[in-house]
Amino acid sequence: AQKITQTQPGMFVQEKEAVTLDCTYDTSDPSYGLFWYKQPSSGEMIFLIYQGSYDQQNATEGRYSLNFQKARKSANLVISASQLGDSAMYFCAMREGAGSRLTFGEGTQLTVNP
Amino acid sequence: DTAVSQTPKYLVTQMGNDKSIKCEQNLGHDTMYWYKQDSKKFLKIMFSYNNKELIINETVPNRFSPKSPDKAHLNLHINSLELGDSAVYFCASSLRGSYNSPLHFGNGTRLTVT
Repeated sequence: AQKITQTQPGMFVQEKEAVTLDCTYDTSDPSYGLFWYKQPSSGEMIFLIYQGSYDQQNATEGRYSLNFQKARKSANLVISASQLGDSAMYFCAMREGAGSRLTFGEGTQLTVNP
Repeated sequence: DTAVSQTPKYLVTQMGNDKSIKCEQNLGHDTMYWYKQDSKKFLKIMFSYNNKELIINETVPNRFSPKSPDKAHLNLHINSLELGDSAVYFCASSLRGSYNSPLHFGNGTRLTVT
């Protein structure tokens, strides 16, 4: 079974608007971490934001915030005030328990239109 | 600069050849990884080393052999290259046992097998 599911292969948003990228996960481990990465067309993987399973508040990093709904097992990324430079592939990933690996979703290609 | 650096950035070779990709990190991390990104952008873990010890060995053909001379270096050697090996290979590092430690990725090596 897929551990990380990103159901939106592609998303479009107008510049300066907010956009939500969906991520659902599946784990039976009570301890886990959720990560979002950005991969622009140049190819590098850029870490954006982290949410721990025991964190009481939603994580925020500048224009990025995480809408963490534990009961629904979802960890959606919200990008506010989209910029042209936000156009990229976005990956959701999970670390379970004391493990070290990150398991990635299939990604969402975001296009920001001027 | 503190970073994960991998070389070469591009690798074009013929079927049957043997090639190596090198990776080094100066972040003080104790765990290093190799991930493969296929043509559909899906990221899948191949190997992971913690302090020179192999801790993750996914179902990867034994033509792929990782080597970690010390905790700051992780190399990937591929024997008898096949067309299906064409992909982008990412090296990454993190701190094991730290839930919120993201993976820091190198810029990737695009391998093309002709």
